[in-house]
Amino acid sequence: SQKIEQNSEALNIQEGKTATLTCNYTNYSPAYLQWYRQDPGRGPVFLLLIRENEKEKRKERLKVTFDTTLKQSLFHITASQPADSATYLCALENAGNMLTFGGGTRLMVKP
Amino acid sequence: DADVTQTPRNRITKTGKRIMLECSQTKGHDRMYWYRQDPGLGLRLIYYSFDVKDINKGEISDGYSVSRQAQAKFSLSLESAIPNQTALYFCATSDSSHSSYEQYFGPGTRLTVT
Repeated sequence: SQKIEQNSEALNIQEGKTATLTCNYTNYSPAYLQWYRQDPGRGPVFLLLIRENEKEKRKERLKVTFDTTLKQSLFHITASQPADSATYLCALENAGNMLTFGGGTRLMVKP
Repeated sequence: DADVTQTPRNRITKTGKRIMLECSQTKGHDRMYWYRQDPGLGLRLIYYSFDVKDINKGEISDGYSVSRQAQAKFSLSLESAIPNQTALYFCATSDSSHSSYEQYFGPGTRLTVT
């Protein structure tokens, strides 16, 4: 069966460091993958999309990689700030441009 | 004003009651979705609609029904609520003509079934 895995344990890092979050999947061949940010009590907000033929995508302090051989995406936040503290969700395209979401990883950036 | 709104934001109801959650959008998007979110399980798709005349079941549609009253409105009904439908419910929209396929989410409705 199809499965998306994100580390359910919170990631705690110090301000200024690079945060790296992982999204692993099995039994998918997504045409693209997206990352969303979710703050407590709010709906997810789209951050980045990366397509299957792209290895890396950047947006300001964010970087996403997509390895279709390893079936893994890495999400990096460089020079992290306390304001980056949130839950980050990966979402995979699943036929017909539908999305299937991972369970999310909570990031805590300490000052 | 928010682009995707949901009402109510919070609701407590009793087992067996019928309840409707409403979603409206001002983004002009053709596609709309209903998800539920449970701790550790991520977002799971309940129903989706690609236009007013197109309604499709998602991963977990049992116990739910939907109505797409207009392009801008998509409501979710629980005909007879049960406690395991206690969750956070999100409506989302997307534009089929936009190549990023990003979805825009509402603020959510926290539903508790006692």
